[in-house]
Amino acid sequence: ILNVEQSPQSLHVQEGDSTNFTCSFPSSNFYALHWYRWETAKSPEALFVMTLNGDEKKKGRISATLNTKEGYSYLYIKGSQPEDSATYLCASDPNDYKLSFGAGTTVTVRA
Amino acid sequence: KAGVTQTPRYLIKTRGQQVTLSCSPISGHRSVSWYQQTPGQGLQFLFEYFSETQRNKGNFPGRFSGRQFSNSRSEMNVSTLELGDSALYLCASSFWQGGNTEAFFGQGTRLTVV
Repeated sequence: ILNVEQSPQSLHVQEGDSTNFTCSFPSSNFYALHWYRWETAKSPEALFVMTLNGDEKKKGRISATLNTKEGYSYLYIKGSQPEDSATYLCASDPNDYKLSFGAGTTVTVRA
Repeated sequence: KAGVTQTPRYLIKTRGQQVTLSCSPISGHRSVSWYQQTPGQGLQFLFEYFSETQRNKGNFPGRFSGRQFSNSRSEMNVSTLELGDSALYLCASSFWQGGNTEAFFGQGTRLTVV
C-alpha cells in the first residue's frame, strides 16, 4: 500500500505542449518532498528537494510547487520535448532515513 | 566523479538459492539505501545504512539483510530466494541521509528468480 499517490499514472503530450501532474503525500510528519526523473535504462535522477510550504523550484522547463498543509505537490513541464519522456517519481521524506515513493507518472512526449 | 556503482547488473538465480548484491557509493557519501522495484509498484524501501549502522528498515521478511563496510560500500543479501523476489534492486547514496538531502541512484541490479 502506497501512502504517496501520483496521478495520472501515465500521460501523452504533444511536443511543445505543457503538462502537469500531481503527487499526494501524508501531511503529518512531513519534512521534505523529493522529485526524481527516471529515464529508461538510466538511474533515477534527482530534480528537486522541497521542504517549505508554498515553495516553488525550477530547473529549466521543469518546475514544482509544494503545499505541505494539504499534502500535495505539482510538477510542471513547459513546452515538452521528446527528451522529457521519462517516469517522474515523487517521494515523501519524514526525516527518518527512508524515502516513501509513489508509483510514478510516465510521460511520453510525441514529436 | 564516479557515480553509484552496483554489481552485478543482471543476475539469474534458482528458487531456494541466496544472492548477494553490491553497491559502491559516491566517494565521500556515508549513507546507502536499498530499494526494490517490482512491476506496478513504486520503489519499496528495504534498509538504510550510515557509518556501518542500520538506521531504518522497511517491511520486508528477514530473508532480506544488508550490511555496510567501513569504506561505505554496502551489500544486501537475500536468502532462500522466492519467485516474487524477482525485481530491480536499486541502491542510493547520499552524503547525509536526513531530510533535504538528495539521493544519487545506481543503475540497479536486475534479479530474476526461476
